[in-house]
Amino acid sequence: DSGVTQTPKHLITATGQRVTLRCSPRSGDLSVYWYQQSLDQGLQFLIQYYNGEERAKGNILERFSAQQFPDLHSELNLSSLELGDSALYFCASSLAGAPWGTQYFGPGTRLTVL
Amino acid sequence: AQSVTQLDSQVPVFEEAPVELRCNYSSSVSVYLFWYVQYPNQGLQLLLKYLSGSTLVESINGFEAEFNKSQTSFHLRKPSVHISDTAEYFCAVSEQGGSEKLVFGKGTKLTVNP
Repeated sequence: DSGVTQTPKHLITATGQRVTLRCSPRSGDLSVYWYQQSLDQGLQFLIQYYNGEERAKGNILERFSAQQFPDLHSELNLSSLELGDSALYFCASSLAGAPWGTQYFGPGTRLTVL
Repeated sequence: AQSVTQLDSQVPVFEEAPVELRCNYSSSVSVYLFWYVQYPNQGLQLLLKYLSGSTLVESINGFEAEFNKSQTSFHLRKPSVHISDTAEYFCAVSEQGGSEKLVFGKGTKLTVNP
């Protein structure tokens, strides 16, 4: 158990809908990262937040948005869903000052768009 | 921008045999290098990393990787694998001085057979 929690574990929805994925980082970790894992694209970085502020942006679609709240939990919002958005979405967290790149991953949320 | 190529998508081996999982990267800036492992139905876990110093780095469970700057490689090796090493292995890079986001390869699925 990494200490990072993600809810829900599974999500099945229809095209055009909107969903929210939730992530609680490990206690004390200020950074939260979101990654998308799909069969064709592999594991791709979406976005990073550090202590409530956006720190870096990757291949995140305009239909997707995220935020980190004062209690440091984060939410990833996916709207106007398409079949191609079906994937495993991982959240990871890291501690400021920890060795570079040491991220702790949650178990993921598997999104299926029908 | 950085990219990571894992040359083998699947590697089947017999128990107690040696294994090498290959990783090459491309980057216009200096990077740190990582191997993460994903056991079935779990999130990713950091296996080992190269940040500086000795180019040969080791994990607690017998894996090692060697950073070769001239060949831009970071191959992962283990002299004798166990059934429990069956997992997917991801090579990743992170830009030094950047946001700590990880750029992953597409993964190598290692299957250890009895």
